[in-house]
Order: sequence, then structure tokens, then C-alpha cells
Amino acid sequence: QSALTQPASVSGSPGQSITISCTGTSSDVGGYNYVSWYQQHPGKVPKLIIYDVTNRPSGVSDRFSGSKSGYTASLTISGLQAEDEADYYCSSYTSSSTFVFGTGTKVTVL
Amino acid sequence: QVQLVESGGGVVQPGGSLRLSCAASGFSFSGYAMHWVRQAPGKGLEWLAVISTHDGSRKHYAESVEGRITISRDNSENTLFVHLNRLTVEDTAVYYCAKEGEGDHWSAFDYWGQGTLVTVSS
Repeated sequence: QSALTQPASVSGSPGQSITISCTGTSSDVGGYNYVSWYQQHPGKVPKLIIYDVTNRPSGVSDRFSGSKSGYTASLTISGLQAEDEADYYCSSYTSSSTFVFGTGTKVTVL
Repeated sequence: QVQLVESGGGVVQPGGSLRLSCAASGFSFSGYAMHWVRQAPGKGLEWLAVISTHDGSRKHYAESVEGRITISRDNSENTLFVHLNRLTVEDTAVYYCAKEGEGDHWSAFDYWGQGTLVTVSS
């Protein structure tokens, strides 16, 4: 199972919106609405911020939103803040009843 | 509150094996699927294994470790385990246990432990 494809880095200025893509195949992202997103600050534990493509866990800022079209899922961060600077990973359930993570994206707030 | 605490990490020789534990509290452990995920130093997340609820009869593994890994659970002790053998330097990583989310279908990892570092080195 190959890792889902994410851009290595995305940057934006405070207040801007950025979008991170996550591209898979028909066996994972394209086949199921079980895509999730995780935020990981340096040296910290990953934190779930989006599940089932579009849903936010309680306590997660509504500046984070998710979507999916075909084989590509996306995470949008609106009103970018300094605290959003972190690594972001997507994950998808697969047709083998396993999971696969994305390659990860480093978000930089300029 | 949900708490997951991994243990068992350390230095292991190449060719050896590891057995990690994850003590769970703050939720009905037997009623949730559980996962193991690892992260090599400076690298991304890699999903390793999942075990189903209750009797843990369903187990699935990443292709990258299939044949070397076994996931298990002891609901009486609220503890998750992973055993990985024939270790190489590529298995050096922080190993996390994670709880499956609240939905009816396996879909996301809503709580994570703090991780335990395994270093494979002679």
C-alpha cells in the first residue's frame, strides 16, 4: 500500500487560507469516506482534526475544514494563525481493511 | 479522560524482537478497536496494525510489516500489545497506540498515547 500523496510544504501569511491536498486511489481515498487529518507540532503527539472527510471533533477550531473530490481529499485552514504552523497528515481506510497515511505536509506561517 | 500509556521501548539488537504494551483508561476499552502507528525519526506516520473490539478476532496489518507483527489485546487488563520480530534499523521509531473513533466503521484515530521509542542498534 503506497502512501497517499501530499505536498511537502505549504505556506501562507496570517489571516490567509491554505489548502493541503491528499491524493490516493480508488482503493482508499476514492473508495471510502473515511479520510481523516492530523496535526502534529514538533515533538508532540498527532492530534485528530478532521474525520470522515468533513467532520471536526469537539474542540477543534472551525477554521479547519475538509472535503473530497474523486481520489483527492483536501484540508483547508482559513484565517491562518501562527499556532497552525505544524505538520499535517491525511489518512484513509483502504479496501484491505487497513489504513494508509499521507506523506505529510509542513505548513509554514510567513 | 482517555489515557493511553505505551511502554516497553528501548534499544534492541538487529534480528531481535520487541513487545510493546499500551495501558488504556478513561473509556470502555473492550468496546473500541485499537491501532498501532509508528514514526521513524524525522519521518512521517506509518500505520501498522488494527485489532477489532471485544474478542479481537479481526486483525489487519500493514504490508510493510506483515509476517513479522502481531497485535493483541487483554480486555481484562485494558491493555493493547504489539509484537514485532526480525527487527532491522528501519524499525527504529516512536511507536504509538491509538484508539479508534466513535463511529460504527473504522475510520480515524481519536486519541493517541505519548509514544515509546524503539531503537534498533548493535
